[in-house]
Amino acid sequence: AQSVTQPDIHITVSEGASLELRCNYSYGATPYLFWYVQSPGQGLQLLLKYFSGDTLVQGIKGFEAEFKRSQSSFNLRKPSVHWSDAAEYFCAAIEAGNMLTFGGGTRLMVKP
Amino acid sequence: NAGVTQTPKFRILKIGQSMTLQCTQDMNHNYMYWYRQDPGMGLKLIYYSVGAGITDKGEVPNGYNVSRSTTEDFPLRLELAAPSQTSVYFCASSYVDYGIQGTGYTFGSGTRLTVV
Repeated sequence: AQSVTQPDIHITVSEGASLELRCNYSYGATPYLFWYVQSPGQGLQLLLKYFSGDTLVQGIKGFEAEFKRSQSSFNLRKPSVHWSDAAEYFCAAIEAGNMLTFGGGTRLMVKP
Repeated sequence: NAGVTQTPKFRILKIGQSMTLQCTQDMNHNYMYWYRQDPGMGLKLIYYSVGAGITDKGEVPNGYNVSRSTTEDFPLRLELAAPSQTSVYFCASSYVDYGIQGTGYTFGSGTRLTVV
């Protein structure tokens, strides 16, 4: 069955430190991949997406993600985290003709 | 502001009561979706619609109903509320191709429902 897995439920980093959030997918073929962010009490906002081509994708708010076919991964990174990045992050995937499937989410906490 | 509007933001229901969660979008999106979000489970698709008059079940449709009489509105109906329906509900919309093109899905700010 198609699935998206985010192995880390919670991550805490210090402000200014680098960040990597993990995402693995299980699909028959390479799906389209997304990262969304959800601030407290808000809906989901699209950070970035990967359809094809360059495996390093740039997004909003200084985030980037790297697609690795050999590892079925699409990890989200940021070189220097700001306190305002504290939120929940969702990886999602979709194949043409199907529905968007979300991972379980990773809650990011930022220490001052 | 353009986008997806959900009402109410919060609601407490007693077991067996019914209610309708409202969702309206003003972006002329063809596709609309209802998700529920439970801690650690991500978002699960309840129902979706590819246009006015057309709806279909998602992954977790039991206990819910939807209708799509206009492009703008996609209400979600709970007929006999159960504690298992305690969740945060999100409505979303997109252009064609299930959000692959353009900016993907646009989400509302959610409805937090508690069934007691």
